[in-house]
Amino acid sequence: GENVEQHPSTLSVQEGDSAVIKCTYSDSASNYFPWYKQELGKRPQLIIDIRSNVGEKKDQRIAVTLNKTAKHFSLHITETQPEDSAVYFCPPRYSTLTFGKGTMLLVSP
Amino acid sequence: DAGVIQSPRHEVTEMGQEVTLRCKPISGHNSLFWYRQTMMRGLELLIYFNNNVPIDDSGMPEDRFSAKMPNASFSTLKIQPSEPRDSAVYFCASSFEGDQPQHFGDGTRLSIL
Repeated sequence: GENVEQHPSTLSVQEGDSAVIKCTYSDSASNYFPWYKQELGKRPQLIIDIRSNVGEKKDQRIAVTLNKTAKHFSLHITETQPEDSAVYFCPPRYSTLTFGKGTMLLVSP
Repeated sequence: DAGVIQSPRHEVTEMGQEVTLRCKPISGHNSLFWYRQTMMRGLELLIYFNNNVPIDDSGMPEDRFSAKMPNASFSTLKIQPSEPRDSAVYFCASSFEGDQPQHFGDGTRLSIL
């Protein structure tokens, strides 16, 4: 099955700074790379995703980059705001594995 | 679209009791997922259905847990008998296909006393 490692487990930044979270995967056949955000007490929600035929995708302050050679994809958040504080997940393919504990991002005002 | 609907939102019961969690996926979605979230283990996939058929139940912790999907618009997750260590938030999610964005319900917060 797919193995995914997410780093870091926690990330603290000052408001206005950039944040980068990285996921490394093992299955070369992977072709769908989503990022989910879960605010405290709420449900996970998809914030951005990318397919394997695209190297980068942007949506306002967030972007995802994919490096298929190195088998990793990253979430980039620029000009962070306190409301970006949440847990972020990069789940592997649906079967057998989990979202895990994700990365807790704390943005301090 | 009402989204994925879960019930109940909260459940508090004594250990040994049967617990049934319910989920209505988004109409037209053919994949349904049950997850459990705890501080210790994070968000774990319990079972995954495709076209109402269980595809992967390797995450189901033990025989006390069972899940069914009798039709495309309804699924249940049952715990019998329940134990305090089953206390967690249980999420249901659905997607159009397995490799498509998953839409989560608001979850059921389960407390077993």
